[in-house]
Amino acid sequence: EVQLVESGGGLVQPGGSLRLSCAASGFTFTSYWMHWVRQAPGKGLVWVSRTNGDGSSTNYADSVKGRFTISRDNAKNTLYLQLNSLRAEDTAVYYCAKAQWLVPYYFDYWGQGTLVTVSS
Amino acid sequence: QSALTQPASVSGSPGQSITISCTGTSSDVGGYNYVSWYQQHPGKVPKLMIYDVSNRPSGVSNRFSGSKSGNTASLTISGLQAEDEADYYCSSYTSSIILDVVFGGGTKLTVL
Repeated sequence: EVQLVESGGGLVQPGGSLRLSCAASGFTFTSYWMHWVRQAPGKGLVWVSRTNGDGSSTNYADSVKGRFTISRDNAKNTLYLQLNSLRAEDTAVYYCAKAQWLVPYYFDYWGQGTLVTVSS
Repeated sequence: QSALTQPASVSGSPGQSITISCTGTSSDVGGYNYVSWYQQHPGKVPKLMIYDVSNRPSGVSNRFSGSKSGNTASLTISGLQAEDEADYYCSSYTSSIILDVVFGGGTKLTVL
């Protein structure tokens, strides 16, 4: 059974940093692209970032580029998102999502999400 | 990069059919058949309902169907049931260099 378990969210002041983690199990982690998607309270889904299977290729939404860094440790079956220079508008539930194998832009499994609140 | 355009809300009675539209551009919906739809119940995690415009993952009811014409994709739910009441999001691959995937703003489906 595929499982994705996020952790690392919390309350942080503007300008602060957090590192989110997503522990994966139930599938061959290194074979799949992984994504981060966020959802501000009461708002819609927004794609944030993705990494390919070996971590050699990444991409980011313009709103987070230069501030967030996606990475993965395939030995630990864990995906990360480093959040720096946080702003109030980054407040959201952050989901990690496993991509489908054939077309890595579909998210067939999602974690339960971790809430990041940026506030003074 | 603007989000794909969806109606904010749609409604229907049990047993009826409804359609949710999702309008993009030639850089996303119109240019590729990489359109998907997600269902999200309140407080729950999104669930993939449709991929490749019209394919259903295993376990998704055949009451859900997808289509595309030009820059607009559509999700149709037939035989509406109370459990279908949820938010629905379309998504598409985009050739924009600043992101991989673009979502619609979401549509709240109310079953009357």
